[in-house]
Amino acid sequence: DAKTTQPTSMDCAEGRAANLPCNHSTISGNEYVYWYRQIHSQGPQYIIHGLKNNETNEMASLIITEDRKSSTLILPHATLRDTAVYYCIVRSANTGGFKTIFGAGTRLFVKA
Amino acid sequence: GAVVSQHPSRVICKSGTSVKIECRSLDFQATTMFWYRQFPKQSLMLMATSNEGSKATYEQGVEKDKFLINHASLTLSTLTVTSAHPEDSSFYICSAAGNNQPQHFGDGTRLSIL
Repeated sequence: DAKTTQPTSMDCAEGRAANLPCNHSTISGNEYVYWYRQIHSQGPQYIIHGLKNNETNEMASLIITEDRKSSTLILPHATLRDTAVYYCIVRSANTGGFKTIFGAGTRLFVKA
Repeated sequence: GAVVSQHPSRVICKSGTSVKIECRSLDFQATTMFWYRQFPKQSLMLMATSNEGSKATYEQGVEKDKFLINHASLTLSTLTVTSAHPEDSSFYICSAAGNNQPQHFGDGTRLSIL
């Protein structure tokens, strides 16, 4: 699976949009971009995933560049409870059988 | 709501004890389950992958005789840490995946060996 690069940490003001970047320049054509987050002392929580097109759900939006070499996770109105480590992961298939390897992620601090 | 349930959430026990952790997928059939370990301020490290009815595949450096994994049904996998020692103290997290399902994670088990 392709490797991803994320900033170590970011700050965001409460109520503002949090934009978390991810580089995955070696992504191949059948690999999806997944985002998870981990709140302290909990298991990772699935947020969103996509292949080529931008995606949106009740939690976030995922913007994938046309060349697919980078993406941005957007939390439109960050709250204090969004403080967590956010992991961008590239995986080979949309079905569940392929293992998810975690990098260091981005530690997002949402401040009042 | 939670789709993967992990039990217990916390265990404290003496050195030399064996500890079993259960992972259940609640509303889907988990053809594959994964076990991770996470030390403080570090990322999750994959320990092993198990498919229902077959032997687990362990990552390099993970002792299969130390960390016994059983995946006997499509909704249950167990991890047994045998003869646990203080260096085995960690946060253990399972995840489950099924067809057309993103991988979902349990809430983890904090294991403390005294």
